[in-house]
Amino acid sequence: DGGITQSPKYLFRKEGQNVTLSCEQNLNHDAMYWYRQDPGQGLRLIYYSQIVNDFQKGDIAEGYSVSREKKESFPLTVTSAQKNPTAFYLCASSIEDISGSPLHFGNGTRLTVT
Amino acid sequence: AQTVTQSQPEMSVQEAETVTLSCTYDTSENNYYLFWYKQPPSRQMILVIRQEAYKQQNATENRFSVNFQKAAKSFSLKISDSQLGDTAMYFCAFMKHVSDKVIFGPGTSLSVIP
Repeated sequence: DGGITQSPKYLFRKEGQNVTLSCEQNLNHDAMYWYRQDPGQGLRLIYYSQIVNDFQKGDIAEGYSVSREKKESFPLTVTSAQKNPTAFYLCASSIEDISGSPLHFGNGTRLTVT
Repeated sequence: AQTVTQSQPEMSVQEAETVTLSCTYDTSENNYYLFWYKQPPSRQMILVIRQEAYKQQNATENRFSVNFQKAAKSFSLKISDSQLGDTAMYFCAFMKHVSDKVIFGPGTSLSVIP
């Protein structure tokens, strides 16, 4: 079955450590996205990529980095510069479709930094 | 910059009744795409319905329908015959271009009461 896989589901790190969240899709989608969700809040865009080897900052990119070396993969690194990294992180993808294809989401990664 | 507003943080509805969730957005674009997503307690994001701005006809999907008022920049979601499984967070979202970034509203928490 096609879909988006985020791993791990739960991740724990010590403050000051960088951590990388995995996102893989086998939907052959062009665009991929990373969102952050805090309790009781909506989704805020961290980074997005419309094509391999290219990506754009979203609204809250500070303290995060991404790469898009392969179409299927869009890993997110939460660096020690991110002041408040504990959150739920959602990866999504979409196909380039003139009808405005919706986002397909992974199941998310819950990151806890102590 | 585009913004999406959902003015109802929480709502409740009796089972089998109808409820309407509000969404307004701000954009200077003439053509764009609008979406409603549902996030149940499992936190999996699920597409409920989508609307292309150049289409006058309101989108419908079974018990879900929208009231799209382009001039007023309003995109409300109506859920008919509410079911317990409709209990979830509902997010309104805006996309300017195909594969462009998707902006989400803060969400409305809907509870369906038996």
